[in-house]
Amino acid sequence: QVQLQESGPGLVKPSETLSLTCSVSGDSMSGNSYYWGWIRQPPGKGLEWIGTMFRTGNTYYNPSLKSRVTTSVDTSKKQLSLKLTSVTATDTAVYYCARSPGLRRPFDFWGQGLLVTVSS
Amino acid sequence: EIVLTQSPGTLSLSPGERATLSCRASQSVSSNYFAWYQQKPGQAPRLLIDGASGRATGIPDRFSGSGSGTDFTLTISRLEPEDFAMYYCQQYGSSPPWTFGQGTKVEIK
Repeated sequence: QVQLQESGPGLVKPSETLSLTCSVSGDSMSGNSYYWGWIRQPPGKGLEWIGTMFRTGNTYYNPSLKSRVTTSVDTSKKQLSLKLTSVTATDTAVYYCARSPGLRRPFDFWGQGLLVTVSS
Repeated sequence: EIVLTQSPGTLSLSPGERATLSCRASQSVSSNYFAWYQQKPGQAPRLLIDGASGRATGIPDRFSGSGSGTDFTLTISRLEPEDFAMYYCQQYGSSPPWTFGQGTKVEIK
C-alpha cells in the first residue's frame, strides 16, 4: 500500500520560505486519478487544509494561504513539494502530505508529519 | 467558507459505552462530501468515514456515520480502549477551502 514521508528543515526563520518534500512509495502516481494534498496542524490545535493537486498540475489552494503557497507533483521522482513564503510564527505546525482518491474525496493515506518551527 | 462546529469539545466515557459525536456545518454540505477522522497523540489522522456514512477500509463496524445537509454524527457503538482519541470532521464538497472541525476529544472517564 502507499506510504508517504515528509522531509525538510525543522526550523525556518521568519520571513523566509518553508520548503518541504513528500516522498511517495508503493504507488505509481501516474495513470490514476489520485490527488495529493498538504494539511497542517499547529501544536495542540486542529487541522488546516493547505492545498490539493493533481499530477497534471491542477492545483487548489486554501484562499487564506493562496498568495504564499506553491505545490507541485513530480511523478518521475514520486515526490510532492510544498513551498510557503514569508513565514511567521503562526506557520509553526506539523505539516502532513496525504493522498485522496479524487478531488472531492477525503484523505485516505497520510504521511507521519513533520514539525516545522518558525523562529529566529 | 463552510465552518464546521463539533460538539462536545470533550466526551468522558467508560470502555463499553456508546459515544455520539456531532458536527454542524454553517451551510449545507453538497452530496454528503463529509468525512470523519481519528487522531491519536503523535500520529497522523486516520480516515474512518467517507461520504458521511461509508466506513473506510479496515474500520471496525462499531464506527458508524450518519447525517446530511448541515448535521452529521459519528457513533461508536461500544468504546474499546484504543478508541480514546481526538476525532475530526471534514467537508470537501463545496468550492475550496475544504475545512475541518475543531475536534472532539474522547477521554476515559
